[in-house]
Amino acid sequence: DIQMTQSPSSLSASVGDRVTITCQASQDISNYLNWYQQKPGKAPKLLIFDASNLQTGVPSRFSGSGSGTDFTFTISSLQPEDIATYYCQQYDDLPPSFFFFGQGTRLELK
Amino acid sequence: QVQLQESGPGLVKPSETLSLTCSVSGGSIRTSSWSWIRQPPGKGLEWIGYLHYSGNTNYISSLKSRVTISVDTSSNQFSLKLSSVTAADTAVYYCARVSGGRKYFYYYMDVWGRGTTVTVSS
Repeated sequence: DIQMTQSPSSLSASVGDRVTITCQASQDISNYLNWYQQKPGKAPKLLIFDASNLQTGVPSRFSGSGSGTDFTFTISSLQPEDIATYYCQQYDDLPPSFFFFGQGTRLELK
Repeated sequence: QVQLQESGPGLVKPSETLSLTCSVSGGSIRTSSWSWIRQPPGKGLEWIGYLHYSGNTNYISSLKSRVTISVDTSSNQFSLKLSSVTAADTAVYYCARVSGGRKYFYYYMDVWGRGTTVTVSS
C-alpha cells in the first residue's frame, strides 16, 4: 500500500497568519489528493480535490498545490472559524481501489 | 441536494456483527459511488471501503476478511456489515458519497452523513 505522511500533527497560529500543511506520498500518486476540514463533533468537509481544485462554496483563502509525491495545503490568512483538524486523503488509481487519510493536523489559535 | 443518514445499533457485543445502514435522500443511489469511513475516539479518519457505481467493491486490507458493503437500490440505501467485532471497532461511523469518475479524472467524498457512534462492549 502507498504510505502517506502528513505534517505537522499540530499547529498553533494567530488570526491573519499564513498556515501550511504538507502531505508526502511514498510513491507517485499524480494529483490523486484531497483535503478535508473536520470540526469537533462534525463530519469532515471537502475543501480541495484533485490536489488544487477548490470545492464549490469554499473560501478562496484555502488552496492546495503539488503533484506526484509532495503536496501542500495553505490557508492564506487564518480566520477564527478555521480552527479544526485537517486531513489529506490519497487514492491510488482511476478508479480507486484504495483510499487513505493522513494522520491529521490539529490547528489551534495562538 | 443529496443527504445521507446513518442508522443502526449504538451498542454491539464482542464477536458479533456490526450492521449499519446509510439512507440516501435527494438523489438516486444508482448514479454514484458510496463509502464507509470510521473514526475511533480521539483518533483520525480510517477509510473502510466503498462501492463503485460499476458495482465493484474495495475494502481496506486490514478489514477485508470481516467487512461487506452492499446496496439496496429499491430502498435507496447502502449498508456496512463488520463481523467478529472487538473493542478496537468502537468508533464513529460515517457514510459518504464518492463523486468523480466517468468523464472526470478524479474522485472525492463530497457528501457525508453526520456519523453514528458504535460501541463494542459486553
